[in-house]
Amino acid sequence: EDQVTQSPEALRLQEGESSSLNCSYTVSGLRGLFWYRQDPGKGPEFLFTLYSAGEEKEKERLKATLTKKESFLHITAPKPEDSATYLCAVHGWFSGGYNKLIFGAGTRLAVHP
Amino acid sequence: DADVTQTPRNRITKTGKRIMLECSQTKGHDRMYWYRQDPGLGLRLIYYSFDVKDINKGEISDGYSVSRQAQAKFSLSLESAIPNQTALYFCATSDRDQPQHFGDGTRLSIL
Repeated sequence: EDQVTQSPEALRLQEGESSSLNCSYTVSGLRGLFWYRQDPGKGPEFLFTLYSAGEEKEKERLKATLTKKESFLHITAPKPEDSATYLCAVHGWFSGGYNKLIFGAGTRLAVHP
Repeated sequence: DADVTQTPRNRITKTGKRIMLECSQTKGHDRMYWYRQDPGLGLRLIYYSFDVKDINKGEISDGYSVSRQAQAKFSLSLESAIPNQTALYFCATSDRDQPQHFGDGTRLSIL
């Protein structure tokens, strides 16, 4: 079954407490993995694209990494303004030979002062 | 001004009513998409269009229809709304297989 699974569903951190969000996927041919940030009442906002295992991208306190089966979004010394839902989406060849983009359900991150 | 604009932002209506959600974009992208988002589920694709003459069903197209009026405009219709179509609806655009850019959504409630 085509799957993109994000964990944990929700994460509560203290300001400055680093952690990682996970996105695991099953796909026969990866064409790209995307990370988005979504604030309440807003549409998803693009953060990163990763194309191949071993690739890393960074932006401020966020770093995204990719292996053949999963991606991590590392958050270093988070601040309250990093609170949001983080979505991953996988573009690739899934079961049945279909080229699709599948979104995970997201991780709700809350960073408290 | 937003690059991808959705109207209305909120809508409450009754079962059986016809509803149209509209999307316009200033990004100049050929590809446009309609998704719905439900709590605990990922964004699910309803319809997509790669250009004005190309319309395709997504994974959950039953009960929905679309119209691509121009490169910049893509509307989603619910011909006869039912309560399980209550959701947050997003329009997105992209340049080929590049990352999609989303509007701020329409919150639709069907009573």
